[in-house]
Amino acid sequence: ETGVTQTPRHLVMGMTNKKSLKCEQHLGHNAMYWYKQSAKKPLELMFVYSLEERVENNSVPSRFSPECPNSSHLFLHLHTLQPEDSALYLCASSQDEGQPQHFGDGTRLSIL
Amino acid sequence: AQSVAQPEDQVNVAEGNPLTVKCTYSVSGNPYLFWYVQYPNRGLQFLLKYITGDNLVKGSYGFEAEFNKSQTSFHLKKPSALVSDSALYFCAVRETGGFKTIFGAGTRLFVKA
Repeated sequence: ETGVTQTPRHLVMGMTNKKSLKCEQHLGHNAMYWYKQSAKKPLELMFVYSLEERVENNSVPSRFSPECPNSSHLFLHLHTLQPEDSALYLCASSQDEGQPQHFGDGTRLSIL
Repeated sequence: AQSVAQPEDQVNVAEGNPLTVKCTYSVSGNPYLFWYVQYPNRGLQFLLKYITGDNLVKGSYGFEAEFNKSQTSFHLKKPSALVSDSALYFCAVRETGGFKTIFGAGTRLFVKA
């Protein structure tokens, strides 16, 4: 148990669907992250929120839309995705810049 | 710009032998350095970090890492490998004053019984 919970664990969707990924942390951390992990590629940072404010947006396509309503919850809204978006999406949190990140177990996303 | 290199896609070692997983980095200021491990169908788990202080850092599960500023390296080591250490290992670097962490491509460690 890492203290970071992601739901759902698996998601299959068509390219025209709209879905959301959810992340919740119970560690009292003030920063939350979305990463994309694809086979044979390095971990890609997508978004960073610090104190509920987006501080990093790594040139992510607009079909991915993050939302951070409070310091414990982070969402990734998905719409009109492409087959190349199939990947493991990982959420993480940390207390501050010098501290390690705590990761959830990810959502395995498959786009049909 | 900060970057991390893990030159080996895979490391093979026999159980009981010492292991080393290599990492080199590039960052403009003083780095925060991390090692993480990932088991199948799981997220990354923190192993150890270097912020400042002693160059030899001890972490979870008997792992340690040596910070070498002149060679800009942060190699992960363990004196005696276990089969259960078989997993994917990531080195990561973060510049001071920011939240952006750059991860290496990962090294798969295979420990043979």
